[in-house]
Amino acid sequence: AQKVTQAQTEISVVEKEDVTLDCVYETRDTTYYLFWYKQPPSGELVFLIRRNSFDEQNEISGRYSWNFQKSTSSFNFTITASQVVDSAVYFCALSVNTNAGKSTFGDGTTLTVKP
Amino acid sequence: DADVTQTPRNRITKTGKRIMLECSQTKGHDRMYWYRQDPGLGLRLIYYSFDVKDINKGEISDGYSVSRQAQAKFSLSLESAIPNQTALYFCATSVSLAGGNEQFFGPGTRLTVL
Repeated sequence: AQKVTQAQTEISVVEKEDVTLDCVYETRDTTYYLFWYKQPPSGELVFLIRRNSFDEQNEISGRYSWNFQKSTSSFNFTITASQVVDSAVYFCALSVNTNAGKSTFGDGTTLTVKP
Repeated sequence: DADVTQTPRNRITKTGKRIMLECSQTKGHDRMYWYRQDPGLGLRLIYYSFDVKDINKGEISDGYSVSRQAQAKFSLSLESAIPNQTALYFCATSVSLAGGNEQFFGPGTRLTVL
């Protein structure tokens, strides 16, 4: 069975601070995919990034960066110089081929960036 | 226009009523999903469909049914709504790429059962 744990329920930072959202996953599959989604206050869910288990290269996209470490089963998300518009609920998700490709979602981390 | 649409966006109903939530997509994706979101519980899968003839139960299918009328349409029904089905419901789609398929979500339907 697959499991995704986002231990941080809520995080509050002041604008311009860096913040890291943690994601720890569990699976026995050797091929799997990890995702991050953002849910702003307006409610829609937006895909941010996908990473497969064979690609541990970290990725940077503007102020966003992702650190994938198979040794610790973690796929952490860092926002540099946070902005008020980053305030949202962020979900980490895991998908494996042996589970018909369905995604298992973490419970989400609510990030509040204060001006 | 949005790629994944849901109707209605908001619905208030009474216990025991039958409710249908509809989802349509123009992305041409094979796979469609229904989730519910409750505060602090993330997203839980209700049903999913990999094509028109393939419908599967998710982790919390009791009290729900679905219909895949066409590749682009996937409806969720609550046969007899109860208050603990009050939640935010999302439809999602993905391409049929095994495993590595990010999902594209509709805007959500906020359902309140009184």
